[in-house]
Amino acid sequence: GAVVSQHPSWVICKSGTSVKIECRSLDFQATTMFWYRQFPKQSLMLMATSNEGSKATYEQGVEKDKFLINHASLTLSTLTVTSAHPEDSSFYICSAKSLSLNTEAFFGQGTRLTVV
Amino acid sequence: AQSVTQLGSHVSVSEGALVLLRCNYSSSVPPYLFWYVQYPNQGLQLLLKYTTGATLVKGINGFEAEFKKSETSFHLTKPSAHMSDAAEYFCAVSDRDDKIIFGKGTRLHILP
Repeated sequence: GAVVSQHPSWVICKSGTSVKIECRSLDFQATTMFWYRQFPKQSLMLMATSNEGSKATYEQGVEKDKFLINHASLTLSTLTVTSAHPEDSSFYICSAKSLSLNTEAFFGQGTRLTVV
Repeated sequence: AQSVTQLGSHVSVSEGALVLLRCNYSSSVPPYLFWYVQYPNQGLQLLLKYTTGATLVKGINGFEAEFKKSETSFHLTKPSAHMSDAAEYFCAVSDRDDKIIFGKGTRLHILP
């Protein structure tokens, strides 16, 4: 199956700094990528949807200036958490879809962010 | 708007027993339905999906699910549980706008 790789798998940062998380589709072109956030023992909450070359569409309640999403190529999307605070600590997961792969979205392995 | 309800945040079954994880959905259009499994600190792995056609869907690791439109359900089953099945399971729905909406998840515990 198609592979989506996230990097880093975990990161610890100081409060007030910014952190960038990468999501790459390794063997297919991802026309659409999604970013999710998962709090401990909870479900995945969709944060935003991004299509290559266009601005991301954010879900209600998600601060677009805090969670910057870039989808500059068909194989890479990045999520930057700006001015991180401890409440931003969470598990962030991306997924990617391709028109050629029809209905299935492929998920990255997730990034554990801890803000101290 | 779409939604997914998973009944039971925790389910425990004995090794070798039947696994049944319940999922009901709400969708204004014919949905795509999914079951994903998540192991600790990992991403999601697709178990199976329903799009169109046969309502009984077989997936990986011996799991299967049946789409019942009249009951708006998509319950996940496995005839015989293995210890390796212990994980978090998510039911999800998509109405083809590319967004996947997840249920709250059910943690499956396997008792020896």
